[in-house]
Amino acid sequence: GAGVSQSPRYKVAKRGQDVALRCDPISGHVSLFWYQQALGQGPEFLTYFQNEAQLDKSGLPSDRFFAERPEGSVSTLKIQRTQQEDSAVYLCASSLQGLAAREQFFGPGTRLTVL
Amino acid sequence: SQQGEEDPQALSIQEGENATMNCSYKTSINNLQWYRQNSGRGLVHLILIRSNEREKHSGRLRVTLDTSKKSSSLLITASRAADTASYFCATDWRTSGSRLTFGEGTQLTVNP
Repeated sequence: GAGVSQSPRYKVAKRGQDVALRCDPISGHVSLFWYQQALGQGPEFLTYFQNEAQLDKSGLPSDRFFAERPEGSVSTLKIQRTQQEDSAVYLCASSLQGLAAREQFFGPGTRLTVL
Repeated sequence: SQQGEEDPQALSIQEGENATMNCSYKTSINNLQWYRQNSGRGLVHLILIRSNEREKHSGRLRVTLDTSKKSSSLLITASRAADTASYFCATDWRTSGSRLTFGEGTQLTVNP
């Protein structure tokens, strides 16, 4: 596709449920990033992949959060045993190279609401 | 926290006026970028300025960077109603690898 796509766009989960959020980056983009954006705040870094390698996962808030990119293209962010504080917009971004100096292209985000 | 701060938090102006938003950060950086986010949408990259640059222009956008003060400003000239959005600065620094650290954003409203 022409841009980064994410699905679903909206997800409502009951507390304790597991959720999986998908990101399709721009074809050929080596780097993929996940960010979490709370209402009224700027995005906060969660994790970063270069191809299939997860090079930085220091931003994941707990061991309930897990991300993968097994074939170096599509990525999935999984949240186990969701809590209310997990409610946020989850943004995926990709960039052409591994260097942060490149602009990042963002998807529209998945809005997660945990009841 | 490495996160930067932006001011003002909210800015309301009339169409045709200029809008200036400021960003401060805490550590030495490699680059600083500005992004725009329309309500309910993802972020759109506007401009990137490197740590050895002082000023950069792109259309109606002008970005300045003062590394001695650890601050940057984004100027939008001749604003339009379509410029209404949230604007974020984002930095990467020498030990951060590829991650971006975003400020809290400025909500700009341009009234027609």
